[in-house]
Parts: sequence; C-alpha cells; structure tokens
Amino acid sequence: DAGVIQSPRHEVTEMGQEVTLRCKPISGHNSLFWYRQTMMRGLELLIYFNNNVPIDDSGMPEDRFSAKMPNASFSTLKIQPSEPRDSAVYFCASSAGVPAYEQYFGPGTRLTVT
Amino acid sequence: TQLLEQSPQFLSIQEGENLTVYCNSSSVFSSLQWYRQEPGEGPVLLVTVVTGGEVKKLKRLTFQFGDARKDSSLHITAAQPGDTGLYLCAGEAHGYSTLTFGKGTMLLVSP
Repeated sequence: DAGVIQSPRHEVTEMGQEVTLRCKPISGHNSLFWYRQTMMRGLELLIYFNNNVPIDDSGMPEDRFSAKMPNASFSTLKIQPSEPRDSAVYFCASSAGVPAYEQYFGPGTRLTVT
Repeated sequence: TQLLEQSPQFLSIQEGENLTVYCNSSSVFSSLQWYRQEPGEGPVLLVTVVTGGEVKKLKRLTFQFGDARKDSSLHITAAQPGDTGLYLCAGEAHGYSTLTFGKGTMLLVSP
C-alpha cells in the first residue's frame, strides 16, 4: 500500500515568492493534517481537515498561509508571500480514525526561503 | 493547552546499553502514542496506549502508560545503532480533535 505522498521533497525559494506544497493521503483515510517542524518549536499542527472540510486552522501562523482539500485524495498548503522564517520541514499526515487516532506521516517537504 | 514534556532532550549511548525516556504532562490523555523519526523522514508510529497502567512490548522496546494517564515511558533494552532517531510522544486529550506532540528525545546509539 502506498503511504502518504508529499511533493516536492525539497523547495528553495526567494523571499516574497509563492510556495505550494502538495499532499496525497492514504486512500480511505478521512482525516488530513498539516504540520510544521523546526528545531526550536518541534512539530506544530497547522490545520486539520475531516472529510475534506477544515475543522481546526488555529495553528495557521497568519494570513500568508492557506490550505485546501478539494477532494479526498489531494490537499495543498500555500504560502504567499513566503518569508525566511517560514523555513522548516512541512509534514502531511492522514488518519482513518476520528478524531486523531494513529496518524501516518508523509516524508515531508524541506522548505528553505532565502 | 495540553503540553507534553519529554526528557531527556538528547541521549547518546553505546550499543548494548539500556535506556528509558519519559513523556510527562499535567493533563490527562485518552490515549498516547509514540513515534520514531529518522533523519529526512516523517515520524512513524510505534505504539498506542489507551489504558492507565498499560504496558506494551515491541521486541526490545517497552512502553508504559501511567496509571493516571498523564505520563508515559519508553524503555529500550540492549540498544542498537538502528534505534537511533528522534522519539516523539503524542497525546490525544478528551474533547480535542488533534494530537499534542512533545518536542522529542534525540537518541544516538554508537557501535
């Protein structure tokens, strides 16, 4: 079975540019999570979808961040405009349980904003 | 806000040694999970504990959930270099729809 798929694996961009991260959850999972991981703050939840509907976006840092889930097999996290402090590893995870039981993580996207 | 404190933050040991890492909180969790994350990869679920006092074993790894469901420990017997990684605990609190993650314990096992 394919796990959670994320693309790109690495992204280097200049400050001010738009960045789009993509995620394909495990088929049949109904919950999807976007996390950000840094050395200083650890793993932080940005947003959580259940059945394609955003349930909790309280972790989204500011209006520069937006996330969508147009269908059960695809989600995007967009940063516009990007800033150097957005540099981090971004993970997508999916879960078959409600609400947060046993999450399965993708390999992550390492974002560097110069 | 539910916080999970993990200790130690970093542990460097020799192959064959035993170790225990801890995950503590002042909050009660309905379940607690342990993940291992290797460099350049996402966290991988190791185990979920749901009952106070529960003990689960996964080969050389022993996981325990505290009686009051506020803390957990992970004990590794005869550590091997393949055990190297970041160990994260994550709790699911009553009434919350998401997991709270600790910052992790980075374990380095040298041959």
